[in-house]
Amino acid sequence: DAEITQSPRHKITETGRQVTLACHQTWNHNNMFWYRQDLGHGLRLIHYSYGVQDTNKGEVSDGYSVSRSNTEDLPLTLESAASSQTSVYFCASSDRDFKGNTIYFGEGSWLTVV
Amino acid sequence: DAKTTQPPSMDCAEGRAANLPCNHSTISGNEYVYWYRQIHSQGPQYIIHGLKNNETNEMASLIITEDRKSSTLILPHATLRDTAVYYCIVRVIQGAQKLVFGQGTRLTINP
Repeated sequence: DAEITQSPRHKITETGRQVTLACHQTWNHNNMFWYRQDLGHGLRLIHYSYGVQDTNKGEVSDGYSVSRSNTEDLPLTLESAASSQTSVYFCASSDRDFKGNTIYFGEGSWLTVV
Repeated sequence: DAKTTQPPSMDCAEGRAANLPCNHSTISGNEYVYWYRQIHSQGPQYIIHGLKNNETNEMASLIITEDRKSSTLILPHATLRDTAVYYCIVRVIQGAQKLVFGQGTRLTINP
């Protein structure tokens, strides 16, 4: 079955380190998204992409970057990890069909910055 | 995208129908109503979506008022596994595909 997978599922890193969270989907979806979730804030959009070589900033993009070199993957990079980036990160994808298509989420990556 | 208003929490007895309301009074004609839920520590799960007409699938029913300013998600026979945070989201059909999440409703199913 097609799916969306995130790795690592859990990671502890030190302040100032570069960290990359991987997201891979096998649906051949054009659209991919990264969200973070913190207590009291719900899910907030970090970056998103509508296709290869396309990337866009979401509402909380500072300190994060993404690249889209193929359809299947949208890695999220924290250039210099900060304690404020301790969070749960969710990747999501959807098809290009604009007629109310659904967005599917991965199971999350728990990141702790110490 | 239009904003939505949901009650922060609700309770429902197991086996009963759970009715979750959502107000979206500023919804535009090209915006769909979506419902997702998030069970503790898991990724959000798609439930159902609709534009104007009522919708039903194997998980739930969605009732949208005629003026589209509010909707209700109905879980016909709630089970303990339906305990989750339920998000009502409205978004445009074209252009930006991203979902903007509010705080949702924390639904607790009681035995």
